[in-house]
Order: sequence, then structure tokens, then C-alpha cells
Amino acid sequence: SYVLTQPPSVSVAPGQTATITCGGSNIGSHSVHWYQQRPGQAPVLVVYNDDDRPSGTPERFSGSNSGNTATLTITRVEAEDEADYFCQVWNSGSDHHYVFGTGTKVTVL
Amino acid sequence: QVQLVESGGGVVQPGGSLRLSCVASGFTFSNFGMHWVRQAPGKGLEWVAVISHDGSGKHSIEKGRLTVSRDNSKNTLYLQINSLSSDDTAVYFCAKDHSSSWMDYWGLGTLVTVSS
Repeated sequence: SYVLTQPPSVSVAPGQTATITCGGSNIGSHSVHWYQQRPGQAPVLVVYNDDDRPSGTPERFSGSNSGNTATLTITRVEAEDEADYFCQVWNSGSDHHYVFGTGTKVTVL
Repeated sequence: QVQLVESGGGVVQPGGSLRLSCVASGFTFSNFGMHWVRQAPGKGLEWVAVISHDGSGKHSIEKGRLTVSRDNSKNTLYLQINSLSSDDTAVYFCAKDHSSSWMDYWGLGTLVTVSS
């Protein structure tokens, strides 16, 4: 099955930039989507199709995807950005058609 | 606005069965595919099942034990879980599909606990 690997944790000071990676075999050939999940809440879509933002997602959130790594970047980090972040792809070749990454906990120092 | 409200969770004995429901509002339910995603305590997200807008297409991670269905006349999505084990203990979320690729709206989830 297709595996997406994320770093377990990222720590960042307010106002700085957080970079969250999502590694997968030739992930650049897939469209990658990102979800934010605050403690005790449901996931919220923050980026879709690698680098598009739904209305309501701050411009501080951006995405990229190439080769074997997709990246979610949060600039000018704020306290409210502290959450778990999950990448996701649709993989028709897998029994698990929709695959989530292992998740990254972003801590704002 | 889009609302998804799950129900049907609870404490169930190993080997038992459960049917979860998700009532949708704020959009034309019959036009969209729907997903179930679960999250074990302290763990990540795991996709469970998807069903097409009209119910003609279904996929799940365990065919036969996890069965997704829908009733478009009631704006309701279902997940039937049979032969429950401790591995099924999780919060179960329903989510609206977008372009058969991502999930653009999620419910708050319903907790299933498998315990004797």
C-alpha cells in the first residue's frame, strides 16, 4: 500500500515559518491535500490540489509538491496555527484509495 | 452552510455490530460522494470508506465487514460495522467528497468504543 511519511513534530516561534513535509514515492505525480486538526476538533481542509487554498484559509498557508516530497508552509506563524496537520492523496492503485500521512504536530513556542 | 452530524457511536462488546449515521444539510446531498474516516485515540486519520453520489460505487478498507450505504431521500449516510474488535475503537467522521479527490467538509465525529 502507498505510504505517506511526515515528521512527528515541528516547533516554531511566533512570526517564524513552519515547514511540514510529506514524503511518498513519486508523490509529485499525485494531487496532495492538507488538513488542520486542532485538539478535540474535526479536521479542516487548508490546502487542496498541492497549492490551492479554500476560502477561509489564510494566505500564510501555501503548498508545493515535486518528486518524492510535498510541503505545507506556514509563514508568520500564529498561536492559532498550533495543531496536527495531515497530508492526503487519492491513489487509485491502492486498496486504501484515499491515503493520509502520518501526521505532524505543530507546536508554537 | 454545510453541516454533517454523526451519531450511533457508543460502547459495544467485541464481536458485536453497529450502524453509524451521518445526517447532511446545507448542500444537495444526492450530488456528492461521501466518506467515512476514523481516528483511533491519540492516532492519525485513517480512511475507511467512500460511496458515490447515487450509491452505485462503493469502496472500503474491509469489504464485507465495513459497509457504506446512503439514503438520499433522508440526506443520510451510513456505515455498518460488523465483528467489532478493539482495533475499531475510534472517532468516526463523515466527510463530503470533492472531485473524488479530497474532503472539503467534515462532521464532528462519533466515538465507537469496543470493550467487554
